[in-house]
Amino acid sequence: DAGITQSPRHKVTETGTPVTLRCHQTENHRYMYWYRQDPGHGLRLIHYSYGVKDTDKGEVSDGYSVSRSKTEDFLLTLESATSSQTSVYFCAISTQGSNQPQHFGDGTRLSIL
Amino acid sequence: RKEVEQDPGPFNVPEGATVAFNCTYSNSASQSFFWYRQDCRKEPKLLMSVYSSGNEDGRFTAQLNRASQYISLLIRDSKLSDSATYLCVVNGWNTDKLIFGTGTRLQVFP
Repeated sequence: DAGITQSPRHKVTETGTPVTLRCHQTENHRYMYWYRQDPGHGLRLIHYSYGVKDTDKGEVSDGYSVSRSKTEDFLLTLESATSSQTSVYFCAISTQGSNQPQHFGDGTRLSIL
Repeated sequence: RKEVEQDPGPFNVPEGATVAFNCTYSNSASQSFFWYRQDCRKEPKLLMSVYSSGNEDGRFTAQLNRASQYISLLIRDSKLSDSATYLCVVNGWNTDKLIFGTGTRLQVFP
């Protein structure tokens, strides 16, 4: 158990509404990541963070924003959800970032109707 | 060309069989390599890192071929519980990001 908690675990909402997903870690790791996983695409990086208030974009960042005001929390926000953002979202943490494996939370299943 | 490519399978094998998966990567500067396992509707979990000289963990053996830019995973004496999707993961040089393959599905039958 890597000490990662994602919330909510499941959410159904409507197009156009804002959605925030939370990732909480208890291990004080510096690096945190948000991915989405869709059939045929595998895991794709949305945003990641390498420290408090230090974030960067991944390959599929459009339509998403993130914030990290504390080491333990990394928030992913969909400002105005669209049906194309229906997916499974995983948070991951890493002890050192580059060259180290990442450990994942249980995931959030998000459906945008 | 995708940065990391895997045969999606499925590989259907009987219990006790030996099965091997390959994964190719495009960035010759990649430095770190991993195999993850993902069960249906679950999160990916680290199975093993892949070292330059090859490494073994019980029934699992991982190999790296830098010249041909591929890594492999060999599973001996397959168990029903090995049924899962196996993800090949590669790290680029001087980056904090990992690149995930789309996975190879393994189904072990009795």
